[in-house]
Formats: sequence, structure tokens, C-alpha cells
Amino acid sequence: DQQVKQNSPSLSVQEGRISILNCDYTNSMFDYFLWYKKYPAEGPTFLISISSIKDKNEDGRFTVFLNKSAKHLSLHIVPSQPGDSAVYFCAASGRGGSNYKLTFGKGTLLTVNP
Amino acid sequence: EAQVTQNPRYLITVTGKKLTVTCSQNMNHEYMSWYRQDPGLGLRQIYYSMNVEVTDKGDVPEGYKVSRKEKRNFPLILESPSPNQTSLYFCASSFLGDQPQHFGDGTRLSIL
Repeated sequence: DQQVKQNSPSLSVQEGRISILNCDYTNSMFDYFLWYKKYPAEGPTFLISISSIKDKNEDGRFTVFLNKSAKHLSLHIVPSQPGDSAVYFCAASGRGGSNYKLTFGKGTLLTVNP
Repeated sequence: EAQVTQNPRYLITVTGKKLTVTCSQNMNHEYMSWYRQDPGLGLRQIYYSMNVEVTDKGDVPEGYKVSRKEKRNFPLILESPSPNQTSLYFCASSFLGDQPQHFGDGTRLSIL
């Protein structure tokens, strides 16, 4: 039972264009969502997060959108740069429990072509 | 520099030989956790700890033990490793609440 789904294993975009990575979730108890970036031979690096009380959060070139009714979130990267090429993981957690466990999607490999 | 440090980074060993993967963080985080990453399965939580002396099972705890005797350290212990524990392991830590978890660079274990 995959509670966090990233349906696109890979995405290729041109430098300077927008990258849009998508994520769907099924568990209504999730209320905190994060995006991580991962380079080979390194651990996941936190990128941006959003609480369920918001529908948008921006940090520089990165914007995360949350649509609670559709149980969908997306990460927009504008403009995309070759250094953004990495695997991007969507993750979610539920508030108020005794565990801040992150439930991860399987990741999307983003390739930004010069 | 704020970081989560795992050791070793790589280990090849044999079935049944006890091993410990250490994890240390220097951010005074209360929460620490271990995940394993396997192809096609993403990252799955093994164990977590809310604070010193408080640990509990995650989604895939079988075959693993942990301890939290000090706030900064959270070792992962494989008492009798088996080939199905061959995986890439990540330690993570955070403050409690809606705070992002910070990950170590991973430990690649191969159990022959």
C-alpha cells in the first residue's frame, strides 16, 4: 500500500525552463509535506516543505503547491539549472502522533539539459 | 557545521556476524530515525527515537536493534545479519514537530 506516489520515474527539461514534479498521497492524516533532493552517494537534502494549513510555499526558485482536496502536491523549479539534476523525493508525515516518520515516494529523476 | 555522521560508509560482511552502524548528530535534535532504501521501494523507516531512552519500531524493524543512551548518538545494530538486510541505510534527525529531518550520507551494507 503505497501512501505517497510519484508516478513519473524521470523528467527531462531544458535549462531555463520550468520543472514540475508531482506527488499524490492517499493518507488523510498526512499534514506536513516535504521535498528532498538526492545526489548519488549522498543523503537526501531537505529542499522545501509545506504545512496542510497552506496551499503554497516559496523559497527562491522553488515553490511547492498543495491541493488538499485532490491529495496532490507539486514542486516547481523556475528557472531550472543543470545543478538541479538529481532524484527528488516527496515525503509526508502526520501531526500529533508519537512518530514523526516520513513516508517517502519512490522518487523522480530530474535531468536538466544545458 | 551542522551534520549527521554515519559510520562506516561502506561495509561488506558475512551472514551472522554482528555489526553496528553508528550515527551521531551535532544539532541537539531530540528526534532520530533510521531508514533503509531499496530499489523500487523508496525509503522505509526501521526505528525511531523521540529522545534519550525512548525508542520504538518503524515499518521494518525485524532483524534490527537500536539504542539511545545519549542525545547525539543513535546506533543501529544488526545482531545476526542476513542477506535480505543488504541495503542502503540512512540516519536522520530533527527537532520535534513540523521540522525537516536532516539525513546522513548513508551506509551501504552488503551481507554475503
